[in-house]
Amino acid sequence: AQSVTQPDIHITVSEGASLELRCNYSYGATPYLFWYVQSPGQGLQLLLKYFSGDTLVQGIKGFEAEFKRSQSSFNLRKPSVHWSDAAEYFCAVAPTGTASKLTFGTGTRLQVTL
Amino acid sequence: KAGVTQTPRYLIKTRGQQVTLSCSPISGHRSVSWYQQTPGQGLQFLFEYFSETQRNKGNFPGRFSGRQFSNSRSEMNVSTLELGDSALYLCASSLPRTSGGSYNEQFFGPGTRLTVL
Repeated sequence: AQSVTQPDIHITVSEGASLELRCNYSYGATPYLFWYVQSPGQGLQLLLKYFSGDTLVQGIKGFEAEFKRSQSSFNLRKPSVHWSDAAEYFCAVAPTGTASKLTFGTGTRLQVTL
Repeated sequence: KAGVTQTPRYLIKTRGQQVTLSCSPISGHRSVSWYQQTPGQGLQFLFEYFSETQRNKGNFPGRFSGRQFSNSRSEMNVSTLELGDSALYLCASSLPRTSGGSYNEQFFGPGTRLTVL
């Protein structure tokens, strides 16, 4: 069965500092990969997705992620964090052949200090 | 274009009751999926509907059911509520596959917060 691991439950960074959130997945083939963000009391907003092709994916709000097949990783990065980025971030995978039936990681809560 | 809407936003029920949650997808989206979010179990896939047919199902008991109507709106029903059913229930919709065969990501609604007392 597929699974997603986000090893960092909580991360604190200073505004303006760089950010990297880790995500590792377990799946027999290359799945579809996603990063979502959830603000308190809100639904999930898609930051970026990887289906195939270029392994460096650009998303919204200045985020990017790199798919590394050899490491089964899909880490999320941002060069300079803004206070408004404070939220919970979820990595998710879907089986190849469907972008539905997402399996989510447990999430990483990002706190931004001023 | 309006996003995914879910009603009601908040709901309080007691054990043993049943509940129906509603989801209206983005216009043109025909796939609707449901997820349960709890502090203990995180985000878990419940089921997906496409063209009024259940296409995928997660590992939830039969008390959890759903349906989709011809206008793509979807409802999920939970019967004989248990305390553990207290959760945020999220609905997501997506476009059909493109003619080129590529898939489209899911867009999520704000969720329905269900509290079971």
